[in-house]
Amino acid sequence: DAMVIQNPRYQVTQFGKPVTLSCSQTLNHNVMYWYQQKSSQAPKLLFHYYDKDFNNEADTPDNFQSRRPNTSFCFLDIRSPGLGDAAMYLCATTDNYNEQFFGPGTRLTVL
Amino acid sequence: SQELEQSPQSLIVQEGKNLTINCTSSKTLYGLYWYKQKYGEGLIFLMMLQKGGEEKSHEKITAKLDEKKQQSSLHITASQPSHAGIYLCGAAVNAGGTSYGKLTFGQGTILTVHP
Repeated sequence: DAMVIQNPRYQVTQFGKPVTLSCSQTLNHNVMYWYQQKSSQAPKLLFHYYDKDFNNEADTPDNFQSRRPNTSFCFLDIRSPGLGDAAMYLCATTDNYNEQFFGPGTRLTVL
Repeated sequence: SQELEQSPQSLIVQEGKNLTINCTSSKTLYGLYWYKQKYGEGLIFLMMLQKGGEEKSHEKITAKLDEKKQQSSLHITASQPSHAGIYLCGAAVNAGGTSYGKLTFGQGTILTVHP
């Protein structure tokens, strides 16, 4: 039973063309995170939501935006993808800070 | 900011061998998490350690947090091909407040197990 679902698993976009990645959860967790993981690197936190309270990391580019319309869904919008934004994007959730549940990730390719 | 250094960066072992992966922090660890990642997939939670000297085991994997809480080790006994993957340590950013469980990760250790 999938708990954190990410769609699509693979996304190809063109340089500069806006793209939206989706994350949904069936755990009813109040905290949701978006991470960016480039090849052979550690996941890097972009931002997180505590309920509807949005928390941006200081070094997250303005090109990255997020929306959380309800507890279950969270979206990552990349307004003008560049070649350097090609990466795996991971969504995670938690409600007790003892364990973060990760989705399978969306691999973004920018042509 | 807190930094985590993992060693080794990659490890190749023969099936049945024991192995250890280390994670060293630049600051005191308030919570240390071990995750496993298969290539191209999400992270799977293995264990969390909080107290100095704490040790936890799950099947053939044991993790320890040293007394001074700045280093953790992950030990796999009698490795199997199913243990292959990338092992990541993650540390809670700070002890509480508005951190909301934010984690910073090490760069990962790539484990290959040959049958």
